[in-house]
Amino acid sequence: EDKVVQSPLSLVVHEGDTVTLNCSYEVTNFRSLLWYKQEKKAPTFLFMLTSSGIEKKSGRLSSILDKKELFSILNITATQTGDSAVYLCAVETIQGAQKLVFGQGTRLTINP
Amino acid sequence: NAGVTQTPKFRILKIGQSMTLQCTQDMNHNYMYWYRQDPGMGLKLIYYSVGAGITDKGEVPNGYNVSRSTTEDFPLRLELAAPSQTSVYFCASTNLGGGKFSYEQYFGPGTRLTVT
Repeated sequence: EDKVVQSPLSLVVHEGDTVTLNCSYEVTNFRSLLWYKQEKKAPTFLFMLTSSGIEKKSGRLSSILDKKELFSILNITATQTGDSAVYLCAVETIQGAQKLVFGQGTRLTINP
Repeated sequence: NAGVTQTPKFRILKIGQSMTLQCTQDMNHNYMYWYRQDPGMGLKLIYYSVGAGITDKGEVPNGYNVSRSTTEDFPLRLELAAPSQTSVYFCASTNLGGGKFSYEQYFGPGTRLTVT
């Protein structure tokens, strides 16, 4: 059975801290790994990673994939209260249909 | 563009009742998906469609049915509601293949369903 596991499940930090969120996976046909941010309602797309060792960056957020060790990390530097959200990791398992298997999410709370 | 819209926003059903969750997208996306999200959990794929007339099961299809008669609409049907179907339901769409290519699934705002 395909599985995606995120850690920690919950994290509380102070504004300005740097955080690292983890995502490990065991799937039979890996195609890509995606990160989403979920605030009150629908998830919004952050990154898609397909190759090991290539860092994707968007402002204070960055992510990298290790296909040998089957994990990805999402880093957020200089955190702000607006970064408070659930961060979801998902793995695409079948080419051509973008079927996603999601992890359970990491709930990140940034205190001022 | 409105993007992906879902109706209703909230619904309470009694055990054994039926209902249809509506999903419409106006981005001419070929792929559409239905997910459910239980409290404190990630999303699980119920059904997906790669184009009008073509649907397939995801991880958790039992108790649900779908149809895709047009590119825009992808309704999800619950025939005999059970308490285990209490969840938030998200519809999503994306465009894969051809001249337009996107990795991003665009999500609707969700429908919160309670079955009592």
